[in-house]
Amino acid sequence: GAVVSQHPSWVICKSGTSVKIECRSLDFQATTMFWYRQFPKQSLMLMATSNEGSKATYEQGVEKDKFLINHASLTLSTLTVTSAHPEDSSFYICISLRGIYGYTFGSGTRLTVV
Amino acid sequence: RKEVEQDPGPFNVPEGATVAFNCTYSNSASQSFFWYRQDCRKEPKLLMSVYSSGNEDGRFTAQLNRASQYISLLIRDSKLSDSATYLCVVEDGGSNYKLTFGKGTLLTVNP
Repeated sequence: GAVVSQHPSWVICKSGTSVKIECRSLDFQATTMFWYRQFPKQSLMLMATSNEGSKATYEQGVEKDKFLINHASLTLSTLTVTSAHPEDSSFYICISLRGIYGYTFGSGTRLTVV
Repeated sequence: RKEVEQDPGPFNVPEGATVAFNCTYSNSASQSFFWYRQDCRKEPKLLMSVYSSGNEDGRFTAQLNRASQYISLLIRDSKLSDSATYLCVVEDGGSNYKLTFGKGTLLTVNP
């Protein structure tokens, strides 16, 4: 079946550094990718929606200059957390929309900023 | 009002018990509905889609009431392996297709 490979699975970084999370669709073209984050004991919250070749659409309250999304190809979407701080520590997950075939989830990235 | 609201839980039940999860959603234009399960520190995995006619998959039965904007999931003869957080998920209508997740209800099945 369709797979979205998300890397890294977990990352620990120092405060002030940047972290890039990749989501790669392995056997299909991901024209739309949703990026979510989940804080402990909270629901998954949509951060932004990206479509291949165009700028991402960010949800209210999500800083576009801090969470950089690139969806330059049909098989790769990236989220870069710039100048990460401890409050950015969370579980980040990409979800691809495959037209009528539904949604394919990445495996998630657990980010810890120390 | 929260967009997707679930029983807060947690639920602790013995093996073999029947357990029901409830969910309400606020967006009347929502088109598709799902139950996902999420194991600790993992990504959610689709359990089943939910249809107005109701649908059953083995021990799992899902129901949708569009008029009441209410979704349910029933697990019969619960197993230890059913222990997880159950997420009610709603797809927005229109051309958005984004998914809105409930906070989840934690189920622990005890031996």
